[in-house]
Amino acid sequence: SQQGEEDPQALSIQEGENATMNCSYKTSINNLQWYRQNSGRGLVHLILIRSNEREKHSGRLRVTLDTSKKSSSLLITASRAADTASYFCATGEIQGAQKLVFGQGTRLTINP
Amino acid sequence: DSGVTQTPKHLITATGQRVTLRCSPRSGDLSVYWYQQSLDQGLQFLIQYYNGEERAKGNILERFSAQQFPDLHSELNLSSLELGDSALYFCASSVVPTETQYFGPGTRLLVL
Repeated sequence: SQQGEEDPQALSIQEGENATMNCSYKTSINNLQWYRQNSGRGLVHLILIRSNEREKHSGRLRVTLDTSKKSSSLLITASRAADTASYFCATGEIQGAQKLVFGQGTRLTINP
Repeated sequence: DSGVTQTPKHLITATGQRVTLRCSPRSGDLSVYWYQQSLDQGLQFLIQYYNGEERAKGNILERFSAQQFPDLHSELNLSSLELGDSALYFCASSVVPTETQYFGPGTRLLVL
């Protein structure tokens, strides 16, 4: 079963606006990761935030992690048409098989 | 380029047939993962190998099997194919489980 649940499932904004996507999870994790997938292509790793971190930045990306609420958010600032893609969160589970569990993704469309 | 290679890129076959998908992980990565992505099911984790040993199983059908060889490349075997097996199959690799995964470009399988 999927652990990460992204919200919203789809988001459409104008170029230049900020885009925010959320991810909720259920079990204890050692890290949370965000990936981007352009249509029909492989997933590309964007950023990893560890369970003892609260916020991380990479270029126009800002990720927050709230382990008490078991949630994370990905903010893309000053969006560009090239940011149009699906975005997935993935949680690194502590227990069990220690694998990444991917959510269903948020489909982001940037309108020019 | 993630460093993960997958062959073939496209595969068209008939129901009841058997196919083999191949994956070469990034140099130095010991973990290999297989995922299936279809329009209605999202990204489904199939199976994980670490240094030649099976580490975790996901939603992998009994008709599917995989292995990781001593040189760390992996093969996913799909047999008795059904129309519903048509999907994108991704391979990913990482140094250790739960850390950043690097995805290959995928194999697009079409079962007619």
